[in-house]
Amino acid sequence: EAEVAQSPRYKITEKSQAVAFWCDPISGHATLYWYRQILGQGPELLVQFQDESVVDDSQLPKDRFSAERLKGVDSTLKIQPAELGDSAMYLCASSHQAGTTSTDTQYFGPGTRLTVL
Amino acid sequence: DQQVKQNSPSLSVQEGRISILNCDYTNSMFDYFLWYKKYPAEGPTFLISISSIKDKNEDGRFTVFLNKSAKHLSLHIVPSQPGDSAVYFCAASEGGGSQGNLIFGKGTKLSVKP
Repeated sequence: EAEVAQSPRYKITEKSQAVAFWCDPISGHATLYWYRQILGQGPELLVQFQDESVVDDSQLPKDRFSAERLKGVDSTLKIQPAELGDSAMYLCASSHQAGTTSTDTQYFGPGTRLTVL
Repeated sequence: DQQVKQNSPSLSVQEGRISILNCDYTNSMFDYFLWYKKYPAEGPTFLISISSIKDKNEDGRFTVFLNKSAKHLSLHIVPSQPGDSAVYFCAASEGGGSQGNLIFGKGTKLSVKP
């Protein structure tokens, strides 16, 4: 069964350092999402891509966070500099096609657990 | 202000019995609802979904009920099994599920005791 891949699974860093997370969506999925889940909360959308284009990044703290999906396949989320409050699980999800009339389930990867010291 | 609310942080059920997890929403524009299950250190796994044109959807041991007038949905698991022990998230979206940006509740931790 096809899965969303993410790496690394765990990352520990010191504040003010740069970190990067990688996601490879299910093959053929055009839409890719990055979510952040703080302990005890549900996931919250950071950024949504349709192929290589950003569809929604309204909740992305753009002063320190950046995301790219240059070839419309895999994606990288970067934080620079990391702050203590960035400690969370970063989840990637993918789905077939947004903007259609069909319902479209999002499938999640295992996540990257970030700890900022 | 939370648009999707799961007011019970935890639920404990005996194996073989029914588990009922509840979810309320405030945004009347939501028309597609999903339940995800999450084990520790793993990503959420899709369980079941329902469109607002339906009031019930069933898949094996899992049934989701939607009451649009009350803005309430529930997930029934019958019979409950120890392997069902996990955190369950309710999520909602607009545009029939095609618009992305799922709004999640805070989750309910289900414990099924043997």
